[in-house]
Amino acid sequence: DQQVKQNSPSLSVQEGRISILNCDYTNSMFDYFLWYKKYPAEGPTFLISISSIKDKNEDGRFTVFLNKSAKHLSLHIVPSQPGDSAVYFCAARINAGNMLTFGGGTRLMVKP
Amino acid sequence: NAGVMQNPRHLVRRRGQEARLRCSPMKGHSHVYWYRQLPEEGLKFMVYLQKENIIDESGMPKERFSAEFPKEGPSILRIQQVVRGDSAAYFCASSTTGADKLFFGSGTQLSVL
Repeated sequence: DQQVKQNSPSLSVQEGRISILNCDYTNSMFDYFLWYKKYPAEGPTFLISISSIKDKNEDGRFTVFLNKSAKHLSLHIVPSQPGDSAVYFCAARINAGNMLTFGGGTRLMVKP
Repeated sequence: NAGVMQNPRHLVRRRGQEARLRCSPMKGHSHVYWYRQLPEEGLKFMVYLQKENIIDESGMPKERFSAEFPKEGPSILRIQQVVRGDSAAYFCASSTTGADKLFFGSGTQLSVL
């Protein structure tokens, strides 16, 4: 049972344009959501997060949107840069524990 | 402040051998998590430990796999009698109590020949 899903395995965008990465979840107990970025041969690094009491969180070029009724969140990167090319993982947490449940990841390629 | 340290970075084992993966959490972190990433897949939770205690091992295979986080020293993920299907990247993460996020190490790439 995959509780966190990223249905797009890959995404290609032009430098300067917006990148939108999507994530869906099924467990209504999740109350905190995170995005991690992963380069090859490295561990995931934290990017941005959002609590379930909010619907938007912004940090520089990165914005995460949460739609609780649809159990959907998205990560917007604007403007996209070639250095943003990486695999992006959506993760969710139930407040009772620190354990994160990850989606399968989306490989973003930003073309110069 | 050093990050999460994992070693070795690469580990090659023949079928039937034992694999030991080590993880030193960030300074001040008392929670350790092990995740596994199979080729072309996402990160799958394996086990969550605090010092000397296993908190949640719901993601650990029932046989051959074990984990510990002793009072002194690193956390160890041990795989006995490895099989080719164990080939994967194993990531360790750590956090403080009540932290919002986990910090990951660079992983150990296990290859079983």
